[in-house]
Amino acid sequence: DAGITQSPRHKVTETGTPVTLRCHQTENHRYMYWYRQDPGHGLRLIHYSYGVKDTDKGEVSDGYSVSRSKTEDFLLTLESATSSQTSVYFCAIRGGGPNTEAFFGQGTRLTVV
Amino acid sequence: QQQVKQSPQSLIVQKGGISIINCAYENTAFDYFPWYQQFPGKGPALLIAIRPDVSEKKEGRFTISFNKSAKQFSLHIMDSQPGDSATYFCAASIGAGGTSYGKLTFGQGTILTVHP
Repeated sequence: DAGITQSPRHKVTETGTPVTLRCHQTENHRYMYWYRQDPGHGLRLIHYSYGVKDTDKGEVSDGYSVSRSKTEDFLLTLESATSSQTSVYFCAIRGGGPNTEAFFGQGTRLTVV
Repeated sequence: QQQVKQSPQSLIVQKGGISIINCAYENTAFDYFPWYQQFPGKGPALLIAIRPDVSEKKEGRFTISFNKSAKQFSLHIMDSQPGDSATYFCAASIGAGGTSYGKLTFGQGTILTVHP
């Protein structure tokens, strides 16, 4: 398995609370991504990073922010969790040139009650 | 807006049969088309990928067929096995230059069940 660790793996939180998910890689890859997976929607891109401190929005970025202060860590923050953010969150990494393989983490199952 | 449409949502085949999953895309700038396989509780893993300069790519029992003019591509699993039971996602990305950064756009997924 590619060196990607997501934490926590499972979390239950209350509506309105902030939540931070962590993605840690040991591959020194340049590109990192956060996706959410929901039934009927596949995986949708939330935010991505193309270098330290270089991040941008994806398709479903509202209510989320990210930070990447070092190559190995990419943090996803739900500023004020809502029930619509109940989902499975996947981090992915990719190195090399365009269209090289993206490796996915094991996912974080987040439930907002 | 769903730029990659995948069908069917679910598929049941008998062991030894052929599984076929189809995808259609809208953005003609896409130039990389991977298929991912996902088992329950796991992250997606790359199965096979194709670029639009070829019409077919085969790796073992898995084949991608690509039709650039129709903006469609499909995954064929020959001699399907119970161990192939999983969720399959097609995806597309723009890789050549610009600021696309290899972002993947996924189809909705197909749950494949192979009966023994």
